[in-house]
Amino acid sequence: AQSVTQLDSQVPVFEEAPVELRCNYSSSVSVYLFWYVQYPNQGLQLLLKYLSGSTLVESINGFEAEFNKSQTSFHLRKPSVHISDTAEYFCAVRFRKETSGSRLTFGEGTQLTVNP
Amino acid sequence: SAVISQKPSRDICQRGTSLTIQCQVDSQVTMMFWYRQQPGQSLTLIATANQGSEATYESGFVIDKFPISRPNLTFSTLTVSNMSPEDSSIYLCSVGLLLYNEQFFGPGTRLTVL
Repeated sequence: AQSVTQLDSQVPVFEEAPVELRCNYSSSVSVYLFWYVQYPNQGLQLLLKYLSGSTLVESINGFEAEFNKSQTSFHLRKPSVHISDTAEYFCAVRFRKETSGSRLTFGEGTQLTVNP
Repeated sequence: SAVISQKPSRDICQRGTSLTIQCQVDSQVTMMFWYRQQPGQSLTLIATANQGSEATYESGFVIDKFPISRPNLTFSTLTVSNMSPEDSSIYLCSVGLLLYNEQFFGPGTRLTVL
């Protein structure tokens, strides 16, 4: 079965601390991987994506994620968080098989709360 | 990228009524999707609405409950029919752009059913 799991539903951290949000997937086919962020009362915004090539991808606001095929993971990291990073983060996977079309499968989400 | 707007942004409805949500995109797109996000939960795909074909519904969702229209390449509607409190959710429209191999999401419609 194809699935996406975010291992932590809530991650509280202090400002300027490092953070890692974990995402694992289960698939028998190749995948495209995405991280989306949802700020309070807003829609989803794409944070970063892995399609091919370098397994380390970065966003413009300091987040990075690394695709690990052997561990089927795509963990999101930031070395120093800001209070403004407080949001819900969703890992999403597009399974690359014809019958999947372009649909995304989302993980359960991780609420990141950055405290002063 | 694509800019997506949804109407209404939020609504409070009575049990048994229906609500139609509109999704407008600023460019022509083939693939459009409708998702539901129940309170405190992740996103669940309701259906895929490609222009020129009937909408394809995911398991657990049926056309009688969630009829979808896709009259052209920039617009779609989702109707939530015969609503009950369990339909209280955020409904999100998204579009798939092959050029970017990603989906862009609208701001969502927050629905509360009393």
